[in-house]
Amino acid sequence: ETGVTQTPRHLVMGMTNKKSLKCEQHLGHNAMYWYKQSAKKPLELMFVYNFKEQTENNSVPSRFSPECPNSSHLFLHLHTLQPEDSALYLCASSQGEVRNEQFFGPGTRLTVL
Amino acid sequence: AQSVTQLDSQVPVFEEAPVELRCNYSSSVSVYLFWYVQYPNQGLQLLLKYLSGSTLVKGINGFEAEFNKSQTSFHLRKPSVHISDTAEYFCAVSDGGGATNKLIFGTGTLLAVQP
Repeated sequence: ETGVTQTPRHLVMGMTNKKSLKCEQHLGHNAMYWYKQSAKKPLELMFVYNFKEQTENNSVPSRFSPECPNSSHLFLHLHTLQPEDSALYLCASSQGEVRNEQFFGPGTRLTVL
Repeated sequence: AQSVTQLDSQVPVFEEAPVELRCNYSSSVSVYLFWYVQYPNQGLQLLLKYLSGSTLVKGINGFEAEFNKSQTSFHLRKPSVHISDTAEYFCAVSDGGGATNKLIFGTGTLLAVQP
């Protein structure tokens, strides 16, 4: 595997379910990000991790719980979601410095019933 | 706070015609600017970036962008588009320094290339 991978690619869940999204980067980067992409809205930065430490939580509801066990893996644990949480969830990684680009995974299309 | 405006939500254009996708940003400090492309069912891919130096930046797939500080713009251009260029294009500006690169994205412009 190369680049940034995300699993699963598609997920349908009920409001009472618990699920997790997984992201893995094979680029040796030290920073990882979760974004939410909804139709007709700008990408919303949710969380930022740098060297496994959370450096940004953009006022995300507690039903979204991130986990970063090491610099290569990032999880987003989901529980008691709402239908408005349906969106494309994108993971990205970068070498951290402000001038460096972020590399994105293909995303997980989440549908909450 | 920094922000990015992409005024055109959709730009229809015929194949082999030139195209310009507009991007304006607001910032009181030096910025780094990026254009990303998103094809259907895929993540975002970097087209080009402006860090410093020459204001005309060339990227992949024949795209280029010009940084204009006085107009706070970073418009994306291509002299002749192909059907395969149909995608969503996002302009982004970096937000500050520090240890991580926090990007602020525009709402995107859908480039629809017609035969």
